[in-house]
Parts: sequence; structure tokens; C-alpha cells
Amino acid sequence: RKEVEQDPGPFNVPEGATVAFNCTYSNSASQSFFWYRQDCRKEPKLLMSVYSSGNEDGRFTAQLNRASQYISLLIRDSKLSDSATYLCVVTGEWDMRFGAGTRLTVKP
Amino acid sequence: NAGVTQTPKFRVLKTGQSMTLLCAQDMNHEYMYWYRQDPGMGLRLIHYSVGEGTTAKGEVPDGYNVSRLKKQNFLLGLESAAPSQTSVYFCASSQSTDTQYFGPGTRLTVL
Repeated sequence: RKEVEQDPGPFNVPEGATVAFNCTYSNSASQSFFWYRQDCRKEPKLLMSVYSSGNEDGRFTAQLNRASQYISLLIRDSKLSDSATYLCVVTGEWDMRFGAGTRLTVKP
Repeated sequence: NAGVTQTPKFRVLKTGQSMTLLCAQDMNHEYMYWYRQDPGMGLRLIHYSVGEGTTAKGEVPDGYNVSRLKKQNFLLGLESAAPSQTSVYFCASSQSTDTQYFGPGTRLTVL
């Protein structure tokens, strides 16, 4: 079983749609959680951290459920520029473990 | 600031050849990392360093060696390249075990 699992998608949604991605992790000792964004053939870039109480950054909302070892990302009012692969990231004692990513395509 | 840079951007090797990938960061970060990214696998940690002169194995270290002689540089070496090492290699740095900043990647093909 992978340490961090994501639905690979692809998710194809129209502009303005709301889309949600889920991620599960296996290490209950994990300490920090993030969503990264990766554009095609580019490096991953931090989108947002995920806090226990849930947090929002504009159109993006992240949630963490430690009991279920589950992380989510909600994107509201999708833009064409949101098209990318979204990586769920979980840190352990010294390292980060990445999910394989969920691919999103937003269409006009 | 350039952030994290990697050289080269692309490379094609023949099986058995050796090469070194260079990563440089100008953010004075203590931690540096080398990952490989393969389709459907996500990024996997090869080696990492928690400071100048230190290195440690990550998840997939076999076939690779690293060195961190200067704080700003982290080198990844392939002594005898194999087709299984065809991948995209990303270097990253961070000040702690928190947010990592990635370089643009090196696309390596081993024939």
C-alpha cells in the first residue's frame, strides 16, 4: 500500500465548477500536510498548508481529518488557470511523502 | 534570488555511463533533497542532507551517491547509469522540515 494515495483522475470540469480532491495517508505519526501544484513539465510549487482546523485561501479550502487519515482540497469557481496536477504531501520525521497526484483540467 | 537551480536541464546517457547532476540554492537553506519522479509514482526521495557535510539515504537510494561539500550545493551522482534510472530528477531545499522549494528539474534518459 502506498503511503499517500490519491485518485489520479483526470478530473475534467467546466469553468466555474466546484471540484474536490481527496487524499489518504497511512502513517498515523505524520506531522504536517500540504497541497502542492505541479504544472505540466514544471516543478511542484506549494499551494497551501493544511491545518487541523481546516483553512481557506481564496477559492481553495483544505481540510484534515487525523482520525481517518484523510486530507481534502476543494476548489470553488474553477478557472482555466487551475488546470494542473495537485499533489498531496505528508511529512514524517524528516521527509516528505508525495502522492502521485490528481490531474485537473478546467475547460471553457 | 534565483531560488533553486539545476544543471543540466536535459541529458541522454548510454547504459554504464556516469554523470553528476548539480543543484544550487541561494536561500541559505540547511536541508536539501534529491527526488525522482516517474509516471504514476509521485516524487520519491533518493537522498537528502540536513546540513553541509551531511548526507542520508531516502526511499530509493540504490544506484545513486550524493555530496554536500558546500551548503549551497547538493550533487547527485550516477556511477553506472541504467535504463531504470530514466526519470525526471528534482532537487529541493528547505530551512526546516517544512515547505520545500523545488528546482526546475533534470530530464534524464538512459539508453
